Amino acid sequence: QKEVEQNSGPLSVPEGAIASLNCTYSDRVSQSFFWYRQYSGKSPELIMSIYSNGDKEDGRFTAQLNKASQYVSLLIRDSQPSDSATYLCAVNNFGNEKLTFGTGTRLTIIP
Amino acid sequence: DARVTQTPRHKVTEMGQEVTMRCQPILGHNTVFWYRQTMMQGLELLAYFRNRAPLDDSGMPKDRFSAEMPDATLATLKIQPSEPRDSAVYFCASGLPGTSGETQYFGPGTRLLVL
Repeated sequence: QKEVEQNSGPLSVPEGAIASLNCTYSDRVSQSFFWYRQYSGKSPELIMSIYSNGDKEDGRFTAQLNKASQYVSLLIRDSQPSDSATYLCAVNNFGNEKLTFGTGTRLTIIP
Repeated sequence: DARVTQTPRHKVTEMGQEVTMRCQPILGHNTVFWYRQTMMQGLELLAYFRNRAPLDDSGMPKDRFSAEMPDATLATLKIQPSEPRDSAVYFCASGLPGTSGETQYFGPGTRLLVL
């Protein structure tokens, strides 16, 4: 079992709809969770971080964390074609600089 | 605009050749990470340094890979000899002490193709 698992997709969502991206992790001591966006041929860029159970909103993005279920998700509201990218989930333990990444979910927003 | 820089951006080489990739971290960042990204394995941490000293290189194949920081402004990743399975994009990232995902800044990557 991989430490961080994501559905590779592709996930296709109509423009204006909500895109839902999911990630599960195996290490119960994981404490920090991150979503990166990576456009084709580019480097990953951080878009959301979450540390506590519940929801965290930033503009059109909402990260959701459920530590009991070892599950973290990213919701993108009012999806735009510019949201088309691969989304990487990453986790680490508090005080540990090492990030473990999932293989990413490719998201396509259909105009 | 502070950025991590990497050279070369693209490299095509033949199996058996030595490959050297370079990274210039953001000025003032003393933690440097090397990642490798492939379609099959995703983004994997190869090694990371703090204050030029290696802290963890457990993700790196020891027989052919080596990573160093000759000085605070330069990190290098070498593959000798290179093999086709080394074909991937290699990213360098830098950050501050106690850095987590929140403060890791990625460079543009070196796209390596070994024939």
